[in-house]
Amino acid sequence: QVQLRGSGPGLLKPADTLSLICTVSGASVSSNRHYWGWIRQPPGKGLEWIGSMSHRGNTYYNPSLKSRVTMSVDASTDHFSLKLHSVSAADTAVYFCARATIGAAGNWFDAWGQGTLVIVSS
Amino acid sequence: VLTQPPSVSVAPGQTATIPCGGNKIGYKSVHWYQQRPGQAPVVVLYDDGDRPSGIPERFSGANSGDTATLTITGVEVGDEADYYCQVWDSSSDPVEFGGGTKLTVL
Repeated sequence: QVQLRGSGPGLLKPADTLSLICTVSGASVSSNRHYWGWIRQPPGKGLEWIGSMSHRGNTYYNPSLKSRVTMSVDASTDHFSLKLHSVSAADTAVYFCARATIGAAGNWFDAWGQGTLVIVSS
Repeated sequence: VLTQPPSVSVAPGQTATIPCGGNKIGYKSVHWYQQRPGQAPVVVLYDDGDRPSGIPERFSGANSGDTATLTITGVEVGDEADYYCQVWDSSSDPVEFGGGTKLTVL
């Protein structure tokens, strides 16, 4: 059974770079049937997709965050990572790593990490 | 943009219907997630109405025109959660989530 576990610093200052890593077990990031990505949820609010990518390097970003986001996948260690540059208080959220299944008609998120709370505060 | 009502209330044993509105959403594949407080979301329906392993038959979906619908029959107290619809038609398109609906079981 696939498991995802996100990790990274929980407290940042404005203008810092948020860096999170997701460790995958029970599956391989080299799968051709899946994308690997990040979704965040500000406190008390809904879900916001940040971006997803394949092990081949195909990346897809939320247009509203694209200029500040860098993602990577490491097939040798079954990890994938997120960097969000120049953070502000508006980036305070729980960050979920998630696997998306590539379906015939659409893609959906079938496995999620436990969530990492990141607070941006001076 | 996917539009969901902020809240839906239903008594135990009754049927809950949660809509997800979007322009011509009937032409797209819609997926639904359940999120209990303090937990990660869990997919309860994919491709409009298919249930992953372990999801009860009480959960069903429909999608036509400008509205997709999640229906939960015989609602239980344990179904109380936030529910989100999601669309990701083409890998080159942005992923969209609805704003979420809080289901309260009275």
